Amino acid sequence: GENVEQHPSTLSVQEGDSAVIKCTYSDSASNYFPWYKQELGKRPQLIIDIRSNVGEKKDQRIAVTLNKTAKHFSLHITETQPEDSAVYFCAASSPTGRRALTFGSGTRLQVQP
Amino acid sequence: DGGITQSPKYLFRKEGQNVTLSCEQNLNHDAMYWYRQDPGQGLRLIYYSQIVNDFQKGDIAEGYSVSREKKESFPLTVTSAQKNPTAFYLCASSLWDRGGNQPQHFGDGTRLSIL
Repeated sequence: GENVEQHPSTLSVQEGDSAVIKCTYSDSASNYFPWYKQELGKRPQLIIDIRSNVGEKKDQRIAVTLNKTAKHFSLHITETQPEDSAVYFCAASSPTGRRALTFGSGTRLQVQP
Repeated sequence: DGGITQSPKYLFRKEGQNVTLSCEQNLNHDAMYWYRQDPGQGLRLIYYSQIVNDFQKGDIAEGYSVSREKKESFPLTVTSAQKNPTAFYLCASSLWDRGGNQPQHFGDGTRLSIL
């Protein structure tokens, strides 16, 4: 089945700096890659997603890039703000097999004011 | 999302007891999912359902059971066979297509503890 690895597990940046979180996946057939943000004790919320027919997608300060050959995708947050502090999860879904999301283990982002 | 309601918010289980967590959605989504989240860890899939009266085991189904009698509802029962049930349980739903690549929307979760 699908395996998703996420790095780093924790990330601390200064306010205004950029943050990058990377994920790798194992199933070359995977075609959907969402990113979720989870604040302490809250539900995960979808912040951006990308499909395999696109190499990059951007939404204001957030962007996601996908490299299908290397089987990895990354979340980029620019001009970080204290309210970006949260746990971020990547996930992948394949049209074969169980066709449900497999999540990475999460990255705790701390933005220092 | 306001369209997915989980209850209760907090639940306590006694030794040997079965407990049921409720999940209801009014988003007209076909697929529903249950995840378990342990402190500082990611989401692990317990069960999922793509259509009424059908469901599949996820990665950690042992000690859990589900039913899908209505499109809107997907209750999860934590049985006494689940020896370590303390966790945060999240329900999610999505539209369904053959590719399985529709965004999932989550409820607010139920925090289950052992008495």
